[in-house]
This record gives sequence, C-alpha cells and structure tokens, in this order.
Amino acid sequence: AQTVTQSQPEMSVQEAETVTLSCTYDTSESDYYLFWYKQPPSRQMILVIRQEAYKQQNATENRFSVNFQKAAKSFSLKISDSQLGDAAMYFCAYRSASFYGQNFVFGPGTRLSVLP
Amino acid sequence: DGGITQSPKYLFRKEGQNVTLSCEQNLNHDAMYWYRQDPGQGLRLIYYSQIVNDFQKGDIAEGYSVSREKKESFPLTVTSAQKNPTAFYLCASTGGPMDTEAFFGQGTRLTVV
Repeated sequence: AQTVTQSQPEMSVQEAETVTLSCTYDTSESDYYLFWYKQPPSRQMILVIRQEAYKQQNATENRFSVNFQKAAKSFSLKISDSQLGDAAMYFCAYRSASFYGQNFVFGPGTRLSVLP
Repeated sequence: DGGITQSPKYLFRKEGQNVTLSCEQNLNHDAMYWYRQDPGQGLRLIYYSQIVNDFQKGDIAEGYSVSREKKESFPLTVTSAQKNPTAFYLCASTGGPMDTEAFFGQGTRLTVV
C-alpha cells in the first residue's frame, strides 16, 4: 500500500518570503500522480498543483512550484512571494495511474501560517 | 455551475441514531469518494464508488454504509455502530482514469451530542 508522509506539522513564513513544504511517499508503482491541495479555514479543498510521474519537468502554477524527485520519492512544494491568503493546511496526495488503484492517499498535512 | 454539493453543513446526532449525509454532483463524474477528516490527521477513505450500483470499502468503513443508485448521488449513512462519529466528512469525485484531479464538496461537520 502507498503511504504519504509530511514531516512538518506546522510551518510559518513572513509575507513576501519563500517557503518550502516537504512531502515524501512510498510506492512500488512507476506511473502515478502527485498533488498538493490547500484547505483554508473554510475547509474547502482546493487543488494547488499536480505532477504526473512520467514527466521529468517540475510543475509550476504562478507562485507555486514543485521539486519532484522520483528516485528519492520526494515531492516538495515551494511557495514564492507568500501572501496572507496562502495561510492554510496543505495536503500532499498520491494517486495511482492504474485503473484499479484510483484512490487518493493523503498525507497528514502541514499547517502554514503567514506572518505580516 | 458544475460542482459537488454536500448537505447539511452541520449535523448533530444523538447517540444510537443513524444519520445520512448527502453528496450530489453535476459534473457527470463516474467515481465518487467519502473521506473522514480528524484534527491533526489527513483524509481517510471511508467508501468509494467507481460506477453506479457498485462501491468498495475504504480504510475505515466500519460503522458506515453507502449506496450509489444514481451517478449524481452518493449518500453516506453513519450508523450507531460507528463508535466515534464526530468528525468532518468530505465527499469528492473524479471523472475517470484520465481525469486525475479530485473535486471536493464543502464538507459536513457531524457532532454527536
């Protein structure tokens, strides 16, 4: 079974600075997807960024980028120019690409605080 | 607008009662999921359904039941057998194997009183 680990229960960053959230995962599969979801105080889950395992290029979405290291099974999220609205719980998630393994596996989350 | 609607937003249950949480989607998605979220923990899978009239247990299915009679609907019943049902429940859906992203509802907060 796949597992996802986020070793930082809480992080803080100064507004306008950069912060990196860590995620590692364990799988024996070669084809899969990785995600970062954001959960603000409203508790609505919002997709931040996704990465296909077969793509070597790291995904980028505006101020959000990932460092995907497939061999190391590492998938960190970098938030640049942090804003107050970035304060939230961030969940790393894994999803198999095989038809019979379509479920998502979530990490325990990292609570990010943004300091003005 | 397409999306997933969960209701109610807050639900209170007396001990020994069954309650049903509603999840409806108009995204024409095949797969639907129920997750439970407790403080300090990630989302844990309760049940999932990949097609109508079929569903599978997730990691923490004990004390819960579901049905999938329509593509749009995937209600979750929390039975009296669930020993600690107070939690936040999230419903999600995906379009299929090539549609990688999960779309989530806004959640239901269930409290046992």
